[in-house]
Amino acid sequence: AIQLTQSPSSLSASVGDRVTITCRASQGISSALAWYQQKPGKAPKLLIYDASSLESGVPSRFSGSGSGTDFTLTISSLQPEDFATYYCQQFNNYPLLTFGGGTKVEIK
Amino acid sequence: EVQLVESGGGLVQPGGSLRLSCAASGFTFSSYEMNWVRQAPGKGLEWVSYISSSGSTIYYADSVKGRFTISRDNAKNSLYLQMNSLRAEDTAVYYCARVDYGGNSTYYYYYMDVWGKGTTVTVSS
Repeated sequence: AIQLTQSPSSLSASVGDRVTITCRASQGISSALAWYQQKPGKAPKLLIYDASSLESGVPSRFSGSGSGTDFTLTISSLQPEDFATYYCQQFNNYPLLTFGGGTKVEIK
Repeated sequence: EVQLVESGGGLVQPGGSLRLSCAASGFTFSSYEMNWVRQAPGKGLEWVSYISSSGSTIYYADSVKGRFTISRDNAKNSLYLQMNSLRAEDTAVYYCARVDYGGNSTYYYYYMDVWGKGTTVTVSS
């Protein structure tokens, strides 16, 4: 099974900071990766699909990049509403799916 | 409005059973593949099960294989998860999620674009 390792598991940042989260796959998955944001007590929300495509309605400060085994989610200027947990998910061997362990973004 | 609403969660003893439902509205349910995803308290997301749009193809995570059964009724716009032989480690919020896709004949990409709010299952004596 394909494993996804996210780093860091948590980070502290200030409003306006540039934040980068990494997701590494245990084997090559092309660009079959999505990113989700989850706030406490809420369902996950799709941010990025196909590694770098921005979901409709998602602010342009979010961007995704990478292919193969290494992927990044970048928030160019962190906003108060961005404090949440972020998950990557691979679709390379869909419909068998895997999530990363999550990265919690907290206020510094 | 495109919406998924889960129901059926609750407190059940170890070894017991529970049936979750997910009611879909605002889209053509029969055209979409569906999944169940769960999240144990304080933990990350875990994919549980998949069902094709017609219901003919089904997959399960190893952690629930042989105990859980996914099904759907396209006439009722509903997705189900029958959970048997429940264990403490099945305690979680259970989400249903729609999968959409894009691409062309040589490459497809997928994503879970619509999620329900979740229903809580607690397995405890």
